[in-house]
Amino acid sequence: AQKVTQAQTEISVVEKEDVTLDCVYETRDTTYYLFWYKQPPSGELVFLIRRNSFDEQNEISGRYSWNFQKSTSSFNFTITASQVVDSAVYFCALSEARAEDNRLAFGKGNQVVVIP
Amino acid sequence: EAQVTQNPRYLITVTGKKLTVTCSQNMNHEYMSWYRQDPGLGLRQIYYSMNVEVTDKGDVPEGYKVSRKEKRNFPLILESPSPNQTSLYFCASSPRQGPDYGYTFGSGTRLTVV
Repeated sequence: AQKVTQAQTEISVVEKEDVTLDCVYETRDTTYYLFWYKQPPSGELVFLIRRNSFDEQNEISGRYSWNFQKSTSSFNFTITASQVVDSAVYFCALSEARAEDNRLAFGKGNQVVVIP
Repeated sequence: EAQVTQNPRYLITVTGKKLTVTCSQNMNHEYMSWYRQDPGLGLRQIYYSMNVEVTDKGDVPEGYKVSRKEKRNFPLILESPSPNQTSLYFCASSPRQGPDYGYTFGSGTRLTVV
């Protein structure tokens, strides 16, 4: 069964510091997708990235970067030079290609608080 | 604009009073699903639908019903709401089965059952 673990529940950083969110996943499928979503205080889910299991290339998008390591089943997310607008809950999620229910298995989320 | 629309955004109701949360998508997506989000538990799937007239249970279906009479609509029905169904609910859609197509989420419905 698919499972996603986000160990840290709440992380506080001072503005301009970097913050890394850890995501460890479990799956028996060889083809799967990993996602990160941001949930600001307004509550909606904002899609950040999708990565498939065959693409281990790390990615940078502005102040965001992702480190995908299949060997350790991790898909970590780093915010560089954090800003107050980054304060949100961040979810890592996994979806298996062969899952009949097509569901996203979410981690419990990381509450990031950026202190001005 | 391509989107998933949920209504209402906020709802406070009393125990036992039937309610429906609507979900509609304008992207001609085949797949739709409902999730609930609870503190410390992340999001969990309630029900999903692969296509019209095809629905199935997710991880936490107890106390909920769904229907998929039309492709665009996937309402979530609580026949007799209880306080433990107080939660934030999300509807999602995808072009078809398979995570390579991605998911589009609605803005969420915050339900309080007193």
